Amino acid sequence: DAGITQSPRHKVTETGTPVTLRCHQTENHRYMYWYRQDPGHGLRLIHYSYGVKDTDKGEVSDGYSVSRSKTEDFLLTLESATSSQTSVYFCAISASGSTSGANVLTFGAGSRLTVL
Amino acid sequence: GQNIDQPTEMTATEGAIVQINCTYQTSGFNGLFWYQQHAGEAPTFLSYNVLDGLEEKGRFSSFLSRSKGYSYLLLKELQMKDSASYLCAVMDSNYQLIWGAGTKLIIKP
Repeated sequence: DAGITQSPRHKVTETGTPVTLRCHQTENHRYMYWYRQDPGHGLRLIHYSYGVKDTDKGEVSDGYSVSRSKTEDFLLTLESATSSQTSVYFCAISASGSTSGANVLTFGAGSRLTVL
Repeated sequence: GQNIDQPTEMTATEGAIVQINCTYQTSGFNGLFWYQQHAGEAPTFLSYNVLDGLEEKGRFSSFLSRSKGYSYLLLKELQMKDSASYLCAVMDSNYQLIWGAGTKLIIKP
């Protein structure tokens, strides 16, 4: 029943290795987002997409890249993981996007990444 | 800078009422959201306010005062399943969401 799935749900990796997180949606929503959530901080936007091949940076984009080659898939890549990127990563989707105030987000279940 | 303030943690008793406050300072305002997040799970949407006043939805109500930069989430008839974190988020003038760190609500029997 979930319209949005993330994979992997858990990953442990070593400093300097590349990591890719995948977000897949079946809702055909135009807008997709990657957030990270850390204790003591609000959700922080990493990157977002407003259509196939259309992406933009969020407030904490350094060290991350994204790609969206299909409406349903939004990939987040850490080119060379660092310990500061240990976090829980949430993907979110929305139908209306940023030009509508009532921009309700639906979140995936999260991907817990540990960088040793 | 932009800032959202919420209490870090609150405790309440099953069956009681609790009010979770959120104050904000943002560049413009295009609405305020409340989300609920159970431990280890994804946030889920609770409410949206863009005009001043109270929005009621079952046991949950959300209030907004734009002049004071203030909102609260009111939870009535508390149940154990309401134990969760409650996230306040404001959409600024650029339609970017600014998130508070969340309030962890602990419900005791």
